[in-house]
Amino acid sequence: AQSVTQLGSHVSVSEGALVLLRCNYSSSVPPYLFWYVQYPNQGLQLLLKYTSAATLVKGINGFEAEFKKSETSFHLTKPSAHMSDAAEYFCAVSPLVKAAGNKLTFGGGTRVLVKP
Amino acid sequence: EAGVTQFPSHSVIEKGQTVTLRCDPISGHDNLYWYRRVMGKEIKFLLHFVKESKQDESGMPNNRFLAERTGGTYSTLKVQPAELEDSGVYFCASSNLQGGLQFFGPGTRLTVL
Repeated sequence: AQSVTQLGSHVSVSEGALVLLRCNYSSSVPPYLFWYVQYPNQGLQLLLKYTSAATLVKGINGFEAEFKKSETSFHLTKPSAHMSDAAEYFCAVSPLVKAAGNKLTFGGGTRVLVKP
Repeated sequence: EAGVTQFPSHSVIEKGQTVTLRCDPISGHDNLYWYRRVMGKEIKFLLHFVKESKQDESGMPNNRFLAERTGGTYSTLKVQPAELEDSGVYFCASSNLQGGLQFFGPGTRLTVL
């Protein structure tokens, strides 16, 4: 069974500072990996995804994530936080093999607060 | 193109009552998923439709939950009778391919008193 762990349910960063959100997964084979963001009163929006191509994945709004197989990690970063980045972020995985279904398994989420 | 829509956005009911949630996927998306986030917990998969057929319902918590997708378009999720632990946010997502990117709706926040 797959599982996802996000370290830290809440993260506070200053505007302009680095944003680092940690995600580790557990899976028998490397899965597809995703980061979603939920802004207040909105649905989940895809930030970026890893599907076994380049290990450094660039997403929207200046975010990127690096897949590290040896560490089973897919941490999300943004060099300089903006006030509009305040939201909740979710790491998720889905099986690589379609026969196993492609339901998403989510981490617990990390709420980001950006201080001016 | 319209995104995934869900109705209602909020629902407050009493324990023992029935509630029906609706999801309209993106037009042409054969795959429809239901997920749920109970307060303080992670978002969890409930079930997956391919057109009108249930592909995977391994996440449905118990037989008080009934999901349907007649005609392979919109889907409903009925909770009958509702219990306190059913409170949470119910998300719907759709994709055009199995294994394809899932697009999420804004969710329905269900509160059972």
